[in-house]
Amino acid sequence: AQSVSQHNHHVILSEAASLELGCNYSYGGTVNLFWYVQYPGQHLQLLLKYFSGDPLVKGIKGFEAEFIKSKFSFNLRKPSVQWSDTAEYFCAVNVAGTYKYIFGTGTRLKVLA
Amino acid sequence: GAVVSQHPSWVICKSGTSVKIECRSLDFQATTMFWYRQFPKQSLMLMATSNEGSKATYEQGVEKDKFLINHASLTLSTLTVTSAHPEDSSFYICSASLDRVKWNEQFFGPGTRLTVL
Repeated sequence: AQSVSQHNHHVILSEAASLELGCNYSYGGTVNLFWYVQYPGQHLQLLLKYFSGDPLVKGIKGFEAEFIKSKFSFNLRKPSVQWSDTAEYFCAVNVAGTYKYIFGTGTRLKVLA
Repeated sequence: GAVVSQHPSWVICKSGTSVKIECRSLDFQATTMFWYRQFPKQSLMLMATSNEGSKATYEQGVEKDKFLINHASLTLSTLTVTSAHPEDSSFYICSASLDRVKWNEQFFGPGTRLTVL
């Protein structure tokens, strides 16, 4: 069965620090990959997505992610975090051609001002 | 655009009663709607997939007689938790799907927190 792993459950950073959140999935076929963010009290919002082409994708608010097929990874990065980035981040995988999304367990990021 | 609403945002009910949660796509017609359940500090777990006018497809381990899904129109899906028990307390999130050229995009509602006493 397909699964998604997010290794960091809680991350605390100071403002301006760099961020990298890990995401690995298990599925041998073609996938679409997503990162979602959930700000406190708000619904899930799409940060960025990958389905083909350049494996380095840029999303909103300065986030980017790199798809490394050989490692089944899709890590999220941001060079310099802000206090407003405090939120929960979810990696998700969609098996191409299906509607099903599989989510990771999420990473709670707290950025200290 | 692509806003999904849920009602109510939170509900408290007594054990044994039924609770209905609505999910609406406000500014688009959704080909498919999904219901997820999220336990504290855990991931979103897909419960079922529903298409307008047809029976929902439930994920393995989800009791279809307990979690009744009705997809009455292209903009409305409802989840009814029947004979709720404390272990059904959770955060329920719906999403509505919009077919893009290369992929299927899901838009998520804000969630409904259910507490069963």
